[in-house]
Amino acid sequence: HVQLVQSGTEVKKPGASVKVSCKASGYTFTSYYMHWVRQAPGQGLDYMGIINPSGGSTFYSQKFQGRVTMTRDMSTGTFYMELRGLRSEDTAMYYCARVLLPGEVEAFGYWGQGTLVIVSS
Amino acid sequence: EIVMTQSPATLSVSPGERATLSCRASQSISSNLAWYQQKPGQAPRLLIYGASTRATGIPARFSGSGSGTEFTLTISSLQSEDFAVYYCQQYHNWPPETFGRGTKVDIK
Repeated sequence: HVQLVQSGTEVKKPGASVKVSCKASGYTFTSYYMHWVRQAPGQGLDYMGIINPSGGSTFYSQKFQGRVTMTRDMSTGTFYMELRGLRSEDTAMYYCARVLLPGEVEAFGYWGQGTLVIVSS
Repeated sequence: EIVMTQSPATLSVSPGERATLSCRASQSISSNLAWYQQKPGQAPRLLIYGASTRATGIPARFSGSGSGTEFTLTISSLQSEDFAVYYCQQYHNWPPETFGRGTKVDIK
């Protein structure tokens, strides 16, 4: 069955970078796009961007342009999301989310358990 | 960017009662709408996609309807495990795939 297992809690200082991983299993890695979504404490869901696992192409939401990089490692079946220039407002739970059906524009059928990133001096 | 507006922000319902949640898109999104349920401390879970198709394992008491700009999620008879926050999401005009701000369903 499909599993998305994310890395653990990160505590970072303002200005630092964080790299969150999402290890995928139980399906053909290259067949399904992966998205990233974040959720600040007590807030709603904020879309960050998408990566094509086959070619590695990406699109980032304008809000995160210039600060985020999404990559994948086909040899290990792992996706990564790196966010740079962290500020306190980046304190949030970060989720990877796989589309339900093949195709880039689809509902998110599977979610990782989330990675809490805390930005504090 | 398409804006998704959910109403109400909070819905207080007694167990066994019917709950009706609304989601409006700022422009037509055809049937490219999903509903998610999120409980405290958990990741969101897909309930409905294509505006009206239940995801695998979702009970029949959950139903979705609508197309274009107006959508509804109905929970026919609320169970204790249904008290949660519900989000709608459009995946028509991409990018980005925008979410509504959520409706919290709590116990009356």
